[in-house]
Amino acid sequence: DVKVTQSSRYLVKRTGEKVFLECVQDMDHENMFWYRQDPGLGLRLIYFSYDVKMKEKGDIPEGYSVSREKKERFSLILESASTNQTSMYLCASSPGGRGLFFGPGTRLTVL
Amino acid sequence: AQSVTQPDIHITVSEGASLELRCNYSYGATPYLFWYVQSPGQGLQLLLKYFSGDTLVQGIKGFEAEFKRSQSSFNLRKPSVHWSDAAEYFCAVGFSGGYNKLIFGAGTRLAVHP
Repeated sequence: DVKVTQSSRYLVKRTGEKVFLECVQDMDHENMFWYRQDPGLGLRLIYFSYDVKMKEKGDIPEGYSVSREKKERFSLILESASTNQTSMYLCASSPGGRGLFFGPGTRLTVL
Repeated sequence: AQSVTQPDIHITVSEGASLELRCNYSYGATPYLFWYVQSPGQGLQLLLKYFSGDTLVQGIKGFEAEFKRSQSSFNLRKPSVHWSDAAEYFCAVGFSGGYNKLIFGAGTRLAVHP
C-alpha cells in the first residue's frame, strides 16, 4: 500500500512564527501536492511539485513556500504564520497515473 | 475556469436506505473524475474514478458512480447505506496535462440514522 505520512497530526503555533510541515511518501511518486481544507470550501491547492527541486503554484500560494530536495519528501513552509492560516493541511502524492494518495492531515492552529 | 459543484452540504439518510450524492463540473472537455471519502480526523480515501469507457464505474465499499456527459455530472450512489458510511464525501476533477492536479468540490457531509 502507498503510504503518505505527515510529520504532525496537530500543531499549535503563534502569529509570526515560521512553520514547517513535512510530508513523506514511500512509493517513488513523481508528483506531490499540498492542499488546505476549510469547511465549506473543500480542498484548495497551495503548491505542487512534479520533480525534485521543481515546484508550481496552485490556487492559493500566497503566504506559503515549498521545498522538495528529495523525491520522497515535500515540505510546506509558512514564512510568517497568521491566524487566517489556521486550517487542515493535506499532503498527497501521485504516480502520474491520475488520482491522488493522501496523508492523514495536519491540523494547524495559529494563535 | 474549471469548477466542481456539490449542491448538497449535508445529507441525512436512514440506515438501509439508498443514497445519491450529486456532483457537477464545469470544463470544456471530458475530465478525469473522482470521488473521495473522508472519515472524521482522517485523510481522504479514493472511492472510485472515471477516465474513459463505461460510464458506470464501481468502487470500493459498494459505491458506484455514473458519468453523464450531457449533464456534466458524476453522481455517487449506494443502494443500501450502512452506519459506517457516515463521513464527508468529495467529488474531484482532473484535467489532461495538469500534472494530476485535482479540483475539489466543497464536500457533502453524510449522516446516517439507525
